[in-house]
Amino acid sequence: DVKVTQSSRYLVKRTGEKVFLECVQDMDHENMFWYRQDPGLGLRLIYFSYDVKMKEKGDIPEGYSVSREKKERFSLILESASTNQTSMYLCASSESGAKETDTQYFGPGTRLTVL
Amino acid sequence: GIQVEQSPPDLILQEGANSTLRCNFSDSVNNLQWFHQNPWGQLINLFYIPSGTKQNGRLSATTVATERYSLLYISSSQTTDSGVYFCAVGLNNQGGKLIFGQGTELSVKP
Repeated sequence: DVKVTQSSRYLVKRTGEKVFLECVQDMDHENMFWYRQDPGLGLRLIYFSYDVKMKEKGDIPEGYSVSREKKERFSLILESASTNQTSMYLCASSESGAKETDTQYFGPGTRLTVL
Repeated sequence: GIQVEQSPPDLILQEGANSTLRCNFSDSVNNLQWFHQNPWGQLINLFYIPSGTKQNGRLSATTVATERYSLLYISSSQTTDSGVYFCAVGLNNQGGKLIFGQGTELSVKP
């Protein structure tokens, strides 16, 4: 069964802290994605990765960085957390290729609050 | 970039009723997926449907790629169908990247 896990379900951090959100998939997928979800704005892509050590900016990369040292793990880093980064963060993965395997599978989400 | 619009934004149904959710997109795509987000936040993929029609139980979806829209049908709705339904589109030469609509929030009353 397909599984994407995220390190925390809820997280509370202070302004200026460095925050790491971890995502792990067990499906040997090439592609991994980080989104944030805010009321009224839907899901917005922060960064994605189509291979180990490869990364591409999404629509809202400012204030974030990512790391993909191993195929199964994709980390989102908030270098200096700010209150406007309070949000739900969702990780997803998909197999590579122009076919049905492009289906994205999502983790349960991390609700981050920055005080 | 590609724009995705979903309608209606909100929908309230009585259990047992049928509904149709619509997704319009502004450019040609070769990747279109429908997702359901349950009240606990988990997103589940319902359909991968860049064209044609698919059915899975009480749910079915149709995409008319030439006219740039997709429809999700829910028949005999149940309270467990409540949540937010998202349409997402993309191009397969972009590493599987998807652009999401803002969703339709469905509430099914017993």
